[in-house]
Amino acid sequence: AQKITQTQPGMFVQEKEAVTLDCTYDTSDQSYGLFWYKQPSSGEMIFLIYQGSYDEQNATEGRYSLNFQKARKSANLVISASQLGDSAMYFCAMREVSGYSTLTFGKGTMLLVSP
Amino acid sequence: DAGITQSPRYKITETGRQVTLMCHQTWSHSYMFWYRQDLGHGLRLIYYSAAADITDKGEVPDGYVVSRSKTENFPLTLESATRSQTSVYFCASSGQGSDTEAFFGQGTRLTVV
Repeated sequence: AQKITQTQPGMFVQEKEAVTLDCTYDTSDQSYGLFWYKQPSSGEMIFLIYQGSYDEQNATEGRYSLNFQKARKSANLVISASQLGDSAMYFCAMREVSGYSTLTFGKGTMLLVSP
Repeated sequence: DAGITQSPRYKITETGRQVTLMCHQTWSHSYMFWYRQDLGHGLRLIYYSAAADITDKGEVPDGYVVSRSKTENFPLTLESATRSQTSVYFCASSGQGSDTEAFFGQGTRLTVV
């Protein structure tokens, strides 16, 4: 079973609008971390935001926020006021504590921001 | 320079040849990872290492070999390259714990002809 599910292969948004990228996860651990990465067309992987399973408040980093709903096992990325430079592939990832803590990625969502 | 570097950035090899992708990090991170990225599959874990001399298989380990004799290096070897191993390979490193992000190398684009 997939541990990280990103159901939106592609998303379109107009500049200055907000967009939500969906991510659901599956784990039996009580302690885990959720991450979002951005991959622009140049190919590098850029860390955006982190949410811990015990964090009571949603994480925010500038225009990025993470809508964390623990009971629903979802960790959606919200980008406010989209910019053309936000056009990229976005990956949700999870890191569990049990055993060796590897980092598992979803398949990604391609976001295109239009003028 | 501090960071994580992969070499080569681009590689073309023939079917059946052995090829090694190098990964070096300067942070003394305990964890290192190798991923492959293919269209429609996201990033899939090939192998990871929790410390020097501790390695384990990820989701897609077949056809690959790793070693980690030193904390800073984590080479990935394709023992006998196949066309299905044409991909972009990413190395990453991180500290221990579920709250530490991974830092990625620039990636290696490998083409097997």
